[in-house]
Amino acid sequence: QITLKESGPTLVKPTQTLTLTCTFSGFSLSTYGVGVGWIRQPPGKALEWLALIYWNDDNRYSPSLKSSLTITKDTSRNQVVLRMTNMDPVDTATYYCAHSIWNVHDYWGQGTLVSVSS
Amino acid sequence: ETVMTQSPATLSVSPGERVTLSCRASQSVDSNLAWYQQKPGQAPRLLIYGASTRATGIPARFSGSGSGTDFTLTISSLQSEDFAVYYCQQYSNWPYTFGQGTKLDIQ
Repeated sequence: QITLKESGPTLVKPTQTLTLTCTFSGFSLSTYGVGVGWIRQPPGKALEWLALIYWNDDNRYSPSLKSSLTITKDTSRNQVVLRMTNMDPVDTATYYCAHSIWNVHDYWGQGTLVSVSS
Repeated sequence: ETVMTQSPATLSVSPGERVTLSCRASQSVDSNLAWYQQKPGQAPRLLIYGASTRATGIPARFSGSGSGTDFTLTISSLQSEDFAVYYCQQYSNWPYTFGQGTKLDIQ
């Protein structure tokens, strides 16, 4: 059974760095074709794809946010970490991590709401 | 960036009706298209991938079709639990992009 869970702060101040951790079980991030992605959703708005890291350490970022995003994995701890620098109130959103198999996001975490406010 | 355009934005329908949702890509995504269902306060749920393959556990009343730039999601007979927001997503071209969603309302 594949499960994922996001964790991190619920409130950050503008200009701070956000660090979110996705802890998963039921799969290995060293398996061929597997990845873990991050997607966010501002309140009442659509989904926005952010980043993806693959079993082979390859990674991809949304071009509009690439300069502020870093995604890393710790295969032994079954975790993926997303860092986002220079947070702004427009970054207030629910952040989801999701299991990816050949780029299809088939299992999602419950999401974590992050608010950006001074 | 591949822009995904969904139509309509909102659809008011009655239980039992057949519904067709549309998704158009600004450039070809081949068959690398997924559909998700999202209910309030919940994470998205994968319904369809590869444009037409139902995900595990998805009822047969959900079907997807299309390739290239034009795609549809059809729900053959709406059940009460199907009232939700539906998103399409392409995973052919970086960055992987979502549509703006279609909300199914109870008429």
